[in-house]
Amino acid sequence: GAGVSQSPSNKVTEKGKDVELRCDPISGHTALYWYRQSLGQGLEFLIYFQGNSAPDKSGLPSDRFSAERTGGSVSTLTIQRTQQEDSAVYLCASSSPGLGETQYFGPGTRLLVL
Amino acid sequence: QKEVEQNSGPLSVPEGAIASLNCTYSDRVSQSFFWYRQYSGKSPELIMSIYSNGDKEDGRFTAQLNKASQYVSLLIRDSQPSDSATYLCAVNGASGTYKYIFGTGTRLKVLA
Repeated sequence: GAGVSQSPSNKVTEKGKDVELRCDPISGHTALYWYRQSLGQGLEFLIYFQGNSAPDKSGLPSDRFSAERTGGSVSTLTIQRTQQEDSAVYLCASSSPGLGETQYFGPGTRLLVL
Repeated sequence: QKEVEQNSGPLSVPEGAIASLNCTYSDRVSQSFFWYRQYSGKSPELIMSIYSNGDKEDGRFTAQLNKASQYVSLLIRDSQPSDSATYLCAVNGASGTYKYIFGTGTRLKVLA
């Protein structure tokens, strides 16, 4: 596709349930990032994938959060046993490899945990 | 100290004025610097990128980088109400990684 796509666009779930968020990066982009943005806040880095290298997971807030990237393309962010504080917009971005390459953001998934 | 710092604002300027947005960063080895604009409820979109000291102009936007002082700024000339948004500063290449580090953003209001 022409841009980064994410699904679902909105997700409402009950506390304690697991959710999966999907990101489809721009074709050819080997770098993929997940961020979380709470209402009125800045971007919180979660995880970064670069090609076949081990992902940088330093931003994941707890072991309830995990992400994988299959075949160097699509990525899934999984949140287990969701809590109300997990409610936020989850943004995915991709870029070409190398320093200084522009990140392109997807439209985000708005997660609401009741 | 936060890695990338911005004044949260809001910064209010009258229509037609120059808006000046500032950002400081802590890691001296940072190599690439970006300004993103984010409208309420939307995703960030790139406005400017800058890699070397000095000014870079693109239309009404000018990015300024001073690596010695570790700051990067964005000037918006002839500000328009449509420029009202949150402006995010991002730094890439800190500590030898490709990770982007974002500031919390400055909210700009252009008053008609």
